[in-house]
Amino acid sequence: QQQVKQSPQSLIVQKGGISIINCAYENTAFDYFPWYQQFPGKGPALLIAIRPDVSEKKEGRFTISFNKSAKQFSLHIMDSQPGDSATYFCAARRGADGLTFGKGTHLIIQP
Amino acid sequence: KAGVTQTPRYLIKTRGQQVTLSCSPISGHRSVSWYQQTPGQGLQFLFEYFSETQRNKGNFPGRFSGRQFSNSRSEMNVSTLELGDSALYLCASSPRTVHNEQFFGPGTRLTVL
Repeated sequence: QQQVKQSPQSLIVQKGGISIINCAYENTAFDYFPWYQQFPGKGPALLIAIRPDVSEKKEGRFTISFNKSAKQFSLHIMDSQPGDSATYFCAARRGADGLTFGKGTHLIIQP
Repeated sequence: KAGVTQTPRYLIKTRGQQVTLSCSPISGHRSVSWYQQTPGQGLQFLFEYFSETQRNKGNFPGRFSGRQFSNSRSEMNVSTLELGDSALYLCASSPRTVHNEQFFGPGTRLTVL
């Protein structure tokens, strides 16, 4: 049972455009929702995270939008740059449990 | 501050063997979690250790085990290796358990032949 569904699997965006990645979860007990960025040969790195009592969080060019009633959250990358090309993972966590990850989105920013 | 270090970075084993992977967390971090990353299953939680005690365990068979030492360094062991155990094994550390961001190491790439 996949508890966190991520889409799309791959995404191509022009430089300067907005990249949008979506995730949906099933377990309403999740209380922490991070996004990770992974480059080839590296471990995932935390980008931004949100808790369910907040509907939006912005850090620089990265924004998380959270819809508790729909059990969905998304990552928006504004003014996307070639250096943003990477694999992005959404995740969710309940209390002290381990992170449950989405399957990942391979993002390519075309110059 | 040095990041999470994992050794070795690459490992090749044959079916039936056992393997031990090592993780040194960020200085001052006391929680260490292990994850398996494969193309098919993605990132899956294996277990978490805090203060030398296993706090959580994912849905993996008993062939996967781990431990944590008093200096917070952690090891994971996989016995009786199977072809399907080929994966990137990632270690993540955080200052303490519960509600903390996790910092991942570069991983150990295990290939089982």
